[in-house]
Amino acid sequence: EPEVTQTPSHQVTQMGQEVILRCVPISNHLYFYWYRQILGQKVEFLVSFYNNEISEKSEIFDDQFSVERPDGSNFTLKIRSTKLEDSAMYFCASSREDPNTEAFFGQGTRLTVV
Amino acid sequence: AQKVTQAQTEISVVEKEDVTLDCVYETRDTTYYLFWYKQPPSGELVFLIRRNSFDEQNEISGRYSWNFQKSTSSFNFTITASQVVDSAVYFCALSDLIQGAQKLVFGQGTRLTINP
Repeated sequence: EPEVTQTPSHQVTQMGQEVILRCVPISNHLYFYWYRQILGQKVEFLVSFYNNEISEKSEIFDDQFSVERPDGSNFTLKIRSTKLEDSAMYFCASSREDPNTEAFFGQGTRLTVV
Repeated sequence: AQKVTQAQTEISVVEKEDVTLDCVYETRDTTYYLFWYKQPPSGELVFLIRRNSFDEQNEISGRYSWNFQKSTSSFNFTITASQVVDSAVYFCALSDLIQGAQKLVFGQGTRLTINP
């Protein structure tokens, strides 16, 4: 069964450093998303991406964040200058154009900022 | 604004008991989708069910059942004859469709512990 894959599974970085989280969405999906889950809290929407541009972003998704689809398969989330409060699990998801189908989530990347 | 409330933060039951997880939502949309996801200790989000706002039929899948009541804006989830493997955090979510994209609004989650 096709799945969304995320790399790495765990990333540790120093405060102020740039990180790039990578995702390979399901191949025939057209919508891509990033969500964040701070430890012990709920999952929060960050951004949705369609047709090579951001379709919506939340208040969390400030200028420190950016997304890119650099080629036909990868979808990346970049955090320019990480802060301690960026430590969280980051989930990538993708969905088909048909809104009657669910979004599929990757297994997540745990980001730890020290 | 959309909101999902899972009032039960933690539930602990003994194996084989039935357990119901509550979910109440708020939305002004007439068309929306409701979801349940399971998050086991390994951390991934496992899709369980999606229900659209026009389909109020209850659904049963094995030991799992869902009760959608539009009149009370609730979408409750029942596990019958619970098992230790059901231990996880369960999230209810509401989908806001933005030009075809599915932006999910999640509840706070209910941590379910099934004791042997």
